[in-house]
Amino acid sequence: DSGVTQTPKHLITATGQRVTLRCSPRSGDLSVYWYQQSLDQGLQFLIQYYNGEERAKGNILERFSAQQFPDLHSELNLSSLELGDSALYFCASSGRGTTPEQYFGPGTRLTVT
Amino acid sequence: AQTVTQSQPEMSVQEAETVTLSCTYDTSESDYYLFWYKQPPSRQMILVIRQEAYKQQNATENRFSVNFQKAAKSFSLKISDSQLGDAAMYFCAYRTEFTGNQFYFGTGTSLTVIP
Repeated sequence: DSGVTQTPKHLITATGQRVTLRCSPRSGDLSVYWYQQSLDQGLQFLIQYYNGEERAKGNILERFSAQQFPDLHSELNLSSLELGDSALYFCASSGRGTTPEQYFGPGTRLTVT
Repeated sequence: AQTVTQSQPEMSVQEAETVTLSCTYDTSESDYYLFWYKQPPSRQMILVIRQEAYKQQNATENRFSVNFQKAAKSFSLKISDSQLGDAAMYFCAYRTEFTGNQFYFGTGTSLTVIP
């Protein structure tokens, strides 16, 4: 157990809909990262937050947005969903003490039909 | 921007043998971290090993060890006594010490373990 939680585990929705994925980082971690992984693909970095502020942006579509709240949990909002958005979405956190590595949540598997 | 390259999309190894996965990276920084992550069929991302750039000694975790060549910007992972459970996708990752602790991942190497 990495200490990073993600909900829901699975999500099935239709094209054109909007969904929200939630992530709670490890206790004390200030940085949250979002990644997208399509089937048999590598990790695509979407966005990073640090203590509530956006720190870095990757290949995140305009239809996607995210935020990190004062309690450090983060949400990734995906709107106007397309079939190609079907993927595994990972949240990771890092930054506590002397541990520089990222710890990943179990992911949310999104299926757009 | 930093880049991480894994030039071996697929590798295979006989059970109980040793295999080495390659990773190179490009950076102008002197302080950074390198990692190997494992993604088994369950798709959970699991940290395998970590290397600090300021440490000359190569990191070791049980059957997993790295060969860190800072000047060559090379960071390979050696798996000894390979086991069936080692079959997975392996990702090399780089973390900056500056500019917001960003991470950069390679494209992954799929490792098959042959019984």
